[in-house]
Amino acid sequence: DSGVTQTPKHLITATGQRVTLRCSPRSGDLSVYWYQQSLDQGLQFLIQYYNGEERAKGNILERFSAQQFPDLHSELNLSSLELGDSALYFCASSPTSEGVYNEQFFGPGTRLTVL
Amino acid sequence: LAKTTQPISMDSYEGQEVNITCSHNNIATNDYITWYQQFPSQGPRFIIQGYKTKVTNEVASLFIPADRKSSTLSLPRVSLSDTAVYYCLVGERGGGADGLTFGKGTHLIIQP
Repeated sequence: DSGVTQTPKHLITATGQRVTLRCSPRSGDLSVYWYQQSLDQGLQFLIQYYNGEERAKGNILERFSAQQFPDLHSELNLSSLELGDSALYFCASSPTSEGVYNEQFFGPGTRLTVL
Repeated sequence: LAKTTQPISMDSYEGQEVNITCSHNNIATNDYITWYQQFPSQGPRFIIQGYKTKVTNEVASLFIPADRKSSTLSLPRVSLSDTAVYYCLVGERGGGADGLTFGKGTHLIIQP
C-alpha cells in the first residue's frame, strides 16, 4: 500500500459525458501527478500540481482539467468523453516538486470505461 | 529529455539472474536513471535510481558504465512474482516534466 488513494476504482460511462476522478496523496506529500495508461499508448504523464499550483504539463487534452485543493487532494475532470478515453488513470504523489524523475508513489488507479 | 530504448519483452526462469538493459545515448550531465516496476492493474512502484557506477538495494542492482549511455537493471534469483513490466526513466531530478513518458517498458515473464 503506497498511501495514495484513488476513487472510484471503476467507472463506466457513455460518450459525451463528464466524470471526475479523485486522488488523495500520501500524508505530507505536496506534489500530485496524473497519468493515463492505455494498451496502445503505455503510461503517459498528464499533469503535475505542487502545493495547489500547476507545476508541469504533459500530454493532457484540452477536454481534461485538474486541480489541487488546499487540503492537497486532487481531482481530474474529463469531459466530452470519447471511446478512446477508456484507460487506467493513475495518481501519484511525492514530497517535493522534484518527484518527476525521483521517487513517486502511485495509487491503485481508476479504470474508466467509455461506452 | 533523454530518449530511452529497452526490450519489449524478456523471459527467464525462477532462480535465475535477469538483466534488463536500457539505452539512453543522449543522456545529459544532470540526468539520473530511475527504474519502476508495474504489476497488472496496479500503479508502478519505484525500484532503484542511480547516477553512475553501481547502486544496490534489497530488491535490485543498477549498473551504469562510465559513458552513461546505457544502464542495466539486475534482478537476482527471480521468482514468479517478479513477472511485471519494468520501466526505465532518464531525466533531471529537479527538472520539468515536459515530454515525460514511461513508454511501454519491458514485459518480463518468469517461468517455473
